[in-house]
Amino acid sequence: RKEVEQDPGPFNVPEGATVAFNCTYSNSASQSFFWYRQDCRKEPKLLMSVYSSGNEDGRFTAQLNRASQYISLLIRDSKLSDSATYLCVVNMNRDDKIIFGKGTRLHILP
Amino acid sequence: GAGVSQTPSNKVTEKGKYVELRCDPISGHTALYWYRQSLGQGPEFLIYFQGTGAADDSGLPNDRFFAVRPEGSVSTLKIQRTERGDSAVYLCASSLLAGTDTQYFGPGTRLTVL
Repeated sequence: RKEVEQDPGPFNVPEGATVAFNCTYSNSASQSFFWYRQDCRKEPKLLMSVYSSGNEDGRFTAQLNRASQYISLLIRDSKLSDSATYLCVVNMNRDDKIIFGKGTRLHILP
Repeated sequence: GAGVSQTPSNKVTEKGKYVELRCDPISGHTALYWYRQSLGQGPEFLIYFQGTGAADDSGLPNDRFFAVRPEGSVSTLKIQRTERGDSAVYLCASSLLAGTDTQYFGPGTRLTVL
């Protein structure tokens, strides 16, 4: 099993729809989880951290399921500007090694 | 304030040459990370520094790759005897602390080995 796995997509979603994607991780001792957003030919930028209790930021909701070892990202009322690659990031808790998933591509269609 | 900067933004070199890529982290950030990203892939961890020391260099693909951070601020990634397979975008990130803290990325250096 890969350390961090994501469905590469692309997810083609009409504007205004809700979309969700998951990311699984292999190390049960992992402590910190993040979602980053990366636009084409740009650097990754933090979208949100993922807390055990889940967290919400506007249209975005992130959740952690420790039992099944996955994190999720939900985007409501999607906008054209949400089109990007969403990277799942996990701190493997071994010398604070950070592992990125390969990303999920999202295309919001007008 | 200033973000993470990387120079050069683009580097084209010939196979077998030596290259140096520079990263200037955000002032005061103790942790500095290097990643390599190929087209369609997520960033691949190479090495991270906590202060001046390399805390984890397990991602360096082979001994042609080396990185330093002599004063705990600027870091240089050095690649000897470059190969075509080294072509990628090299990303640098810094964070205030290691591990659980937000990483701030630089714009990357696009390396092309001909």
